[in-house]
Amino acid sequence: DIQMTQSPSSVSASVGDRVTITCRASQGVSTYLHWYQQKPGKAPKLLIFDASSLQGGVPSRFSASGSGADFTLTISSLHPEDSATYYCHQTYNMPLTFGGGTRVEI
Amino acid sequence: QLQLQESGPGLVKPSETLSLSCTVSGGSISSSSHYWGWIRQPPGKGLEWIGSIYYSGSTYYNPSLKSRITISVDTSKNEVSLKVNSVTAADTAVYYCARQDSLLEWPYFFDFWGQGTRVSVSS
Repeated sequence: DIQMTQSPSSVSASVGDRVTITCRASQGVSTYLHWYQQKPGKAPKLLIFDASSLQGGVPSRFSASGSGADFTLTISSLHPEDSATYYCHQTYNMPLTFGGGTRVEI
Repeated sequence: QLQLQESGPGLVKPSETLSLSCTVSGGSISSSSHYWGWIRQPPGKGLEWIGSIYYSGSTYYNPSLKSRITISVDTSKNEVSLKVNSVTAADTAVYYCARQDSLLEWPYFFDFWGQGTRVSVSS
């Protein structure tokens, strides 16, 4: 199985801060890497697909990059509504796997 | 607008079978562009992929669960189903169904999710 490791596991930041989350795969996943945002009690929401493509309707303050085994998700200027847990997800190989999540607190 | 709605019992006894349905509205489950997946989330924990199915019935399952799960599709009802046999407390989770983009008939990212249904396993 491809293990997805996210860091940090949690981060506390202020409105307007820049936040970067890292996701590392135990083996290369090309760009078959996607990011989701989950708020408490809600289903995850797709933010980024194919490592760097912004899903429709997602604010442009979210961006992502990477390929192979190392990926980052960046929130350029934190808004109050960005308080959530963020998950990376690889679809390069079976079984599909998710990172452990990064909680962003504001 | 596409909507997915999970349904099923909120409480299941240990060793019994958990059966969930996901009704899709606002779109066809017979789309050749999509898979339909199940994902679960134990209380306070992260996401675990359970399995995915194509409208044709082709499936991919998580090996950690493969011996106990069955995912099926009913195109006449626009519905996807999940069965988990021999449940234990470890199967207690919120269960989500989600539409999954298909890349050359390979399951890809999840772009639409149901709201989830909470299932507890307890006697």
